[in-house]
Amino acid sequence: EIVMTQSPVSLSVSPGERATLSCRASQSVGRNLAWYKQKPGQAPRLLIYDASTRAPGIPARFSGSGSGTEFTLTISSLQSEDFAIYYCQQYNNWPLFGGGTKVEIK
Amino acid sequence: QVQLVESGGGVVQPGRSLRLSCEVSGFTFSDYAFHWVRQDPGKGLEWVAIISYDGSQKYYADSVKGRFTISKDNSKNTLFLQMNSLRVEDTALYYCARGSPGWYSDYWGQGTLVTVSS
Repeated sequence: EIVMTQSPVSLSVSPGERATLSCRASQSVGRNLAWYKQKPGQAPRLLIYDASTRAPGIPARFSGSGSGTEFTLTISSLQSEDFAIYYCQQYNNWPLFGGGTKVEIK
Repeated sequence: QVQLVESGGGVVQPGRSLRLSCEVSGFTFSDYAFHWVRQDPGKGLEWVAIISYDGSQKYYADSVKGRFTISKDNSKNTLFLQMNSLRVEDTALYYCARGSPGWYSDYWGQGTLVTVSS
């Protein structure tokens, strides 16, 4: 059974700074990985799919990379609306989410 | 404009049943697979089930297999989740989400809350 581990659990970043979030799979998932953003009281929103493809309408400051077992979501310059919880999800077999990373204002 | 609107949540006793619905608009319902995903309040996301675009294939998380049934009515643009033998640990906000060819979810509803409590 695949386990998805996100790190760090929380991250304090100042507006305008760069944030780097990690997601590790316990076995290879190829490039079958998505990233979602969730703000309090809202549904998740798709940011990235196939490890590095931005979903329609997602700003270029969001980028995804990686393959196999190691993946990264980078937010190049944090805006106020980016403070949220970010989840990775593998879909190489049954969909499975990581535990999330909370990005907080420093 | 893509919209998914869940309904049917509520408070139910352990062992009882509940049926969730998800009405969809803004795209061709019959062309897409759909997921149910749940979230324990204040916690992470758990995938529950998926149904193929034509309803012929259905897959479930181990935690709900044998108790929950996913279905879709292409004539009514509506997705369903029949939940039987409910347990306290099924308490969560249940989201419906549109499936992509790759089984990620590109559009989500706002969720309906299910509380299982005696």
